[in-house]
Amino acid sequence: SQELEQSPQSLIVQEGKNLTINCTSSKTLYGLYWYKQKYGEGLIFLMMLQKGGEEKSHEKITAKLDEKKQQSSLHITASQPSHAGIYLCGADPRGVSASGSARQLTFGSGTQLTVLP
Amino acid sequence: DSGVTQTPKHLITATGQRVTLRCSPRSGDLSVYWYQQSLDQGLQFLIQYYNGEERAKGNILERFSAQQFPDLHSELNLSSLELGDSALYFCASSVAYRNTEAFFGQGTRLTVV
Repeated sequence: SQELEQSPQSLIVQEGKNLTINCTSSKTLYGLYWYKQKYGEGLIFLMMLQKGGEEKSHEKITAKLDEKKQQSSLHITASQPSHAGIYLCGADPRGVSASGSARQLTFGSGTQLTVLP
Repeated sequence: DSGVTQTPKHLITATGQRVTLRCSPRSGDLSVYWYQQSLDQGLQFLIQYYNGEERAKGNILERFSAQQFPDLHSELNLSSLELGDSALYFCASSVAYRNTEAFFGQGTRLTVV
């Protein structure tokens, strides 16, 4: 099964600093999703990357997909306290299961981000 | 607000009991996914339904079952509950069953005492 490793596990930054979170897959990445979660709450969809080299931005958050490295990075510019939370990457293993059914997302263990004011 | 509604938000029950968690997907979404999030296991995929039919199964215990109804809402049934079943249970929905983003509900926090 596909495994996703996120680094770092936790990150504490001063407000205004830039930061990067990485997500590395044990298998080829066909689709990579980034979610943000506040402790004990639901997941908020941030971005979906499907093609190698694809880069997407939303406000101050940019995500890239490097197919060759089987890795995605999430970069936050000029971090704010509102960026604090747990960032999770999820992967979409291509192909179908033995039952012929479709995809299921596998998630990394998350990166806990704290932004100090 | 993702548009996915889960009820109840919190649930406290005793070991051995049975509970039902409910999920209403976003309007127009045909696919529903259930996930379990615990401190030691992280976020784990349980099961997926698409337009009323089971599409994929993950790490779902035999004591757990789910279904998706004709109006597309879904229920996750957890029976013979154990202390280790305490977790956040998330429902997510998407338009299709692959290559589309999934939107998550706020989750149901289940505490088994």
